[in-house]
Amino acid sequence: AQTVTQSQPEMSVQEAETVTLSCTYDTSESDYYLFWYKQPPSRQMILVIRQEAYKQQNATENRFSVNFQKAAKSFSLKISDSQLGDAAMYFCAYKDAGNMLTFGGGTRLMVKP
Amino acid sequence: DVKVTQSSRYLVKRTGEKVFLECVQDMDHENMFWYRQDPGLGLRLIYFSYDVKMKEKGDIPEGYSVSREKKERFSLILESASTNQTSMYLCASSLWGTGAGNTIYFGEGSWLTVV
Repeated sequence: AQTVTQSQPEMSVQEAETVTLSCTYDTSESDYYLFWYKQPPSRQMILVIRQEAYKQQNATENRFSVNFQKAAKSFSLKISDSQLGDAAMYFCAYKDAGNMLTFGGGTRLMVKP
Repeated sequence: DVKVTQSSRYLVKRTGEKVFLECVQDMDHENMFWYRQDPGLGLRLIYFSYDVKMKEKGDIPEGYSVSREKKERFSLILESASTNQTSMYLCASSLWGTGAGNTIYFGEGSWLTVV
């Protein structure tokens, strides 16, 4: 079974600074997708960014970007110019050709004004 | 706009009660999911349904059952609630297909406390 590990239960960042959240995963598949989801205090889970494993180029969405290292099975999320609204739980998730997502344990991000 | 609606945000039930958590999606999605979220454990899949009346067990199905009589509705049932089932429950849906990148959409969650 696939596993997803987020080794940082909590992180904090100063407003306007950059922070990187770590994620590693274990799989024997070659074709899969990786996701970062954000869960703010309202509890609605929101997709932040996704990466196809067959693409070498790292995905970017505005202030959010990933560092995808396929050989190392690492998938970190970088948030640039952090804003107060970025404070949330962040979940890394894995999905292969099946239809189910496997989630990591989450990282709580705090943003200091 | 995409919508996954969970009927109850907060519930308090007694040990041994039968509990129903309802979820409705308006996107004509084939797949629907029930996850349980606990601190430090992330989201764990309880059950998955890919079609009406079809279901598959996830990672932690014990103590739970599901019902999918209509495409848009997926119910999670706790036959006899226990205190270790106190948790946040998240419903989600997605399109079916070999496209592994199909986004999964989540509801707002249901906080269940069993006393």
